[in-house]
Amino acid sequence: DIQMTQSPSSVSASVGDRVTITCRASLDISNWLAWYQQKPGKAPKLLISAASSLQSGVPSRFSGTGSGTDFTLTISSLQPEDLATYYCQEASGFTFGGGTKVDIK
Amino acid sequence: EVQLVQSGAEVKKPGESLKISCQASGYSFATDWIAWVRQMPGKGLEWVAMIYPADSDTKYRPSFRGQVTISADKSISTAYLRWSSLKAADSAIYFCARYRCGGGRCYAGDWGQGTLVTVSS
Repeated sequence: DIQMTQSPSSVSASVGDRVTITCRASLDISNWLAWYQQKPGKAPKLLISAASSLQSGVPSRFSGTGSGTDFTLTISSLQPEDLATYYCQEASGFTFGGGTKVDIK
Repeated sequence: EVQLVQSGAEVKKPGESLKISCQASGYSFATDWIAWVRQMPGKGLEWVAMIYPADSDTKYRPSFRGQVTISADKSISTAYLRWSSLKAADSAIYFCARYRCGGGRCYAGDWGQGTLVTVSS
């Protein structure tokens, strides 16, 4: 199985801050990566597919980059509604990363 | 509008059997994969299994193979996850998700609301 390692496991930032989450795959997965947002008590929501393709309706402050083994999700200006846990998932074997909890200071 | 509506919360005893469901609407059920994803209390997401309803092709995460059975009924656009003998460690929220695939890559754009399974003596 491909292993997906996210860091950090949690981050606390102020409204307006730039937040960066990384995801590392144990093997080259090209751009076969998704990012999901899970708000407390809710189902996950797809934010980004194919490493950098923003889903319809997702605010443009979210962006994804990377290919091969190293990927990044960036929130350019953190908003209160971004309080959530974010997960990466590789798109062929479906392994999720461990998640990154984003708190608002 | 795509909707995935899951069955309600369950409380079971160890050793009992259980089948939870996920009814889909708003798209062609047979031609997209449906997966089950587990979330244990306070923990992350784990992909469990998925099925292609058109031909009932299935994939299981190795650690779940033999522990659960995924199935689907195309006639009522419903996917299922079944346990024959529950354990306390099966207690979790189970989400169903519709995966759209192309070129071997699949992304879950639609999710059910989750089914809480509690196994306790």
